[in-house]
Amino acid sequence: QKEVEQNSGPLSVPEGAIASLNCTYSDRGSQSFFWYRQYSGKSPELIMSIYSNGDKEDGRFTAQLNKASQYVSLLIRDSQPSDSATYLCAVRGSGGSNYKLTFGKGTLLTVNP
Amino acid sequence: EAQVTQNPRYLITVTGKKLTVTCSQNMNHEYMSWYRQDPGLGLRQIYYSMNVEVTDKGDVPEGYKVSRKEKRNFPLILESPSPNQTSLYFCASSADRSVVDTQYFGPGTRLTVL
Repeated sequence: QKEVEQNSGPLSVPEGAIASLNCTYSDRGSQSFFWYRQYSGKSPELIMSIYSNGDKEDGRFTAQLNKASQYVSLLIRDSQPSDSATYLCAVRGSGGSNYKLTFGKGTLLTVNP
Repeated sequence: EAQVTQNPRYLITVTGKKLTVTCSQNMNHEYMSWYRQDPGLGLRQIYYSMNVEVTDKGDVPEGYKVSRKEKRNFPLILESPSPNQTSLYFCASSADRSVVDTQYFGPGTRLTVL
């Protein structure tokens, strides 16, 4: 079974700092990677997707992908208390599993005012 | 408004009493999926459907059934619930299997089996 691992957390950062969230995956053929945000008691929502090696920036969020190392990360710059949530890394399967998303267990981020 | 709805949102039941959690989407999506979320285990896929009358098992299908008779509806059936099925359940949909990454999630159903 394909696996997606995230740093267990919880991660606590002060307001204005950079939060760094990490994820590794086992399916070497995977080509699509995603970060979902889930507020407590709510459903997950997609915030970033990345398909190519390197960085992808969207506002305060930067996703980084290194397929050779099977590693994905999410950086949140100028962290705000409203960023406090659980962040889920998701990886789309390859080959016959390309219709599936496998999620990591999530990392709880707390941004302290 | 484009959305995925689930009912009920909260349910407390007893072991062995059959129940159905409904899921409906109004976006004409082909792909629908059920997940369960447990502390320390993350989101795990139970069943998915790529279109009407096409369903298949996810990673944790034991104890669950699904059906897809209409495109908009994808109910989750627990024929004989057990306490280990106490969990938070999410239904999700996406336009089709090629865009499964852009999944829209329902609000969740919190199920407690006593």
